[in-house]
Amino acid sequence: AQSVTQPDARVTVSEGASLQLRCKYSYSATPYLFWYVQYPRQGLQLLLKYYSGDPVVQGVNSFEAEFSKSNSSFHLQKASVHWSDSAVYFCALIGANSGTYQRFGTGTKLQVVP
Amino acid sequence: NSKVIQTPRYLVKGQGQKAKMRCIPEKGHPVVFWYQQNKNNEFKFLINFQNQEVLQQIDMTEKRFSAECPSNSPCSLEIQSSEAGDSALYLCASSLEGLGQDTQYFGPGTRLLVL
Repeated sequence: AQSVTQPDARVTVSEGASLQLRCKYSYSATPYLFWYVQYPRQGLQLLLKYYSGDPVVQGVNSFEAEFSKSNSSFHLQKASVHWSDSAVYFCALIGANSGTYQRFGTGTKLQVVP
Repeated sequence: NSKVIQTPRYLVKGQGQKAKMRCIPEKGHPVVFWYQQNKNNEFKFLINFQNQEVLQQIDMTEKRFSAECPSNSPCSLEIQSSEAGDSALYLCASSLEGLGQDTQYFGPGTRLLVL
């Protein structure tokens, strides 16, 4: 079975603070992993993706994520958040040997406060 | 930035009515996906196409849902008889090769409300 869990439905951080959004996955092998952001009334925008190689992946807008096979995790991080980062963030996976559609977590709503 | 176009952006239907939404994938992308995002942010894959051929679809899609991607026309997703539980954001995505590592580019979605 393949699944993604985002344990934090909501996260509030102060502007300028660091951020970590958690993602845990379940899959027997190494999956393709993705992080997306969704702003109100918009579709999903890809932040970054991972399949192999360096476990730390750089993405757009200074986001990065770290893959851990031992922990089955793919946490999203940012060193210093801006108010414009307020949005809903989704983690997703594609099992390498089981089709090409994505399984999504239920998202983490990030609120950046002054 | 994604150039996937979805119309209409909002759709309001009564129970039992047909609901049809359209998607124009990014130019040159032969693979199209449809996902349903409900109010609890639970995503459900519905169907995907490569050119005009169905690649994968879930059981739900085989019943009240129909979809097609005709040549030289927008792709479409139609619900034959809408139910309250169909109220959701329907997202279309396209990709170049349909492989796992391919980036899927999402449109803004069609928000369906079934009264």
